[in-house]
Amino acid sequence: GQQVMQIPQYQHVQEGEDFTTYCNSSTTLSNIQWYKQRPGGHPVFLIQLVKSGEVKKQKRLTFQFGEAKKNSSLHITATQTTDVGTYFCAGSANQAGTALIFGKGTTLSVSS
Amino acid sequence: KAGVTQTPRYLIKTRGQQVTLSCSPISGHRSVSWYQQTPGQGLQFLFEYFSETQRNKGNFPGRFSGRQFSNSRSEMNVSTLELGDSALYLCASSFYLAGDSSYNEQFFGPGTRLTVL
Repeated sequence: GQQVMQIPQYQHVQEGEDFTTYCNSSTTLSNIQWYKQRPGGHPVFLIQLVKSGEVKKQKRLTFQFGEAKKNSSLHITATQTTDVGTYFCAGSANQAGTALIFGKGTTLSVSS
Repeated sequence: KAGVTQTPRYLIKTRGQQVTLSCSPISGHRSVSWYQQTPGQGLQFLFEYFSETQRNKGNFPGRFSGRQFSNSRSEMNVSTLELGDSALYLCASSFYLAGDSSYNEQFFGPGTRLTVL
């Protein structure tokens, strides 16, 4: 079945350093979504990418969708302590419906 | 607008019992999905309902079932509980509009923490 791999599993950075997490799907995706889950919380939607090669920015966060629509990345510039949490990518290969296949997430910790 | 609500928030059961979890989506959302979250397996898709019909199903045994009511509220049921069913069960709702991906965003509830002893 469809699988979404995400690396690294954990990342620790000093405040101010950059951070990147990568996501790879075994199949071509119709779209990819990114979520953030704070400790003890639930996943919260960050963004959706739909087009091949798409790049979107949200302040210090940059999201990319690969040309083949099988990989994606999230890059955070100058991390802050408020960035801590687990970042998940989630792919949808199914054109009908909203079922998502999640990567296992990258847990980011930031020390000041 | 009220968010997705799930009840109960915490549940302790013993092996062999069954359990029913409830989810009320955001008003106007007709798509409801269920996910199981564990430290080892991460977030795994269980099933999705739309207009009272199961539209997609993940790779879980038949002990896991669900349904959706005409008001879009959804329930999931797990029969003959096993220790490995201990997990956080998350419900997510979406407005969803066929052919318009801008409505795909899923809004998650706080989850039901199920412990099987």
